[in-house]
Amino acid sequence: AQSVTQPDIHITVSEGASLELRCNYSYGATPYLFWYVQSPGQGLQLLLKYFSGDTLVQGIKGFEAEFKRSQSSFNLRKPSVHWSDAAEYFCAVGAQSGGYQKVTFGTGTKLQVIP
Amino acid sequence: KAGVTQTPRYLIKTRGQQVTLSCSPISGHRSVSWYQQTPGQGLQFLFEYFSETQRNKGNFPGRFSGRQFSNSRSEMNVSTLELGDSALYLCASSLGQSTNEKLFFGSGTQLSVL
Repeated sequence: AQSVTQPDIHITVSEGASLELRCNYSYGATPYLFWYVQSPGQGLQLLLKYFSGDTLVQGIKGFEAEFKRSQSSFNLRKPSVHWSDAAEYFCAVGAQSGGYQKVTFGTGTKLQVIP
Repeated sequence: KAGVTQTPRYLIKTRGQQVTLSCSPISGHRSVSWYQQTPGQGLQFLFEYFSETQRNKGNFPGRFSGRQFSNSRSEMNVSTLELGDSALYLCASSLGQSTNEKLFFGSGTQLSVL
């Protein structure tokens, strides 16, 4: 069965600083990989996704993520964080499990942005 | 195009009661997935429906059930509510199979069990 680990529960960065959120997955093959963002009181919104091809993926709001097969990682990055980026970020894996296809989410990383 | 609509937005119930949550997907979307979100647990997959058929189910007790109608609208039901069922229940829709497509989420139903 696939699994997703987001080792950082909470991260604080200063506005304008760079950001990297970590995500590691466990799956026998290359799964479909996603990053979603959730603002308080809202549902989740897709930032970007990786299926195949170029391992550096560009998303919305200036985010990017890099797939590293050797490390089973799909870390999310942003060169300069804005106060509006404060939210919770979820990494997700779409893959086959037990004969079914399903999407598995990590436990999330809460991002706090300080002035 | 209207987004995913979940009703009600908030719900307060007592232990032992049952509850029904509703989800209207984006027009044209045939897949609806349900997730339970609690602090520290992230999103736990409940089930997925596609064209009125349950395609996959997570590791939840039989008290949690769902269905999908011919218009793709979906409902989930929780019977004999327990305190631990308090959570944000999120519904997501997609055009086809959820694993390789963008999921569109509703704002959720916040369920409190007293």
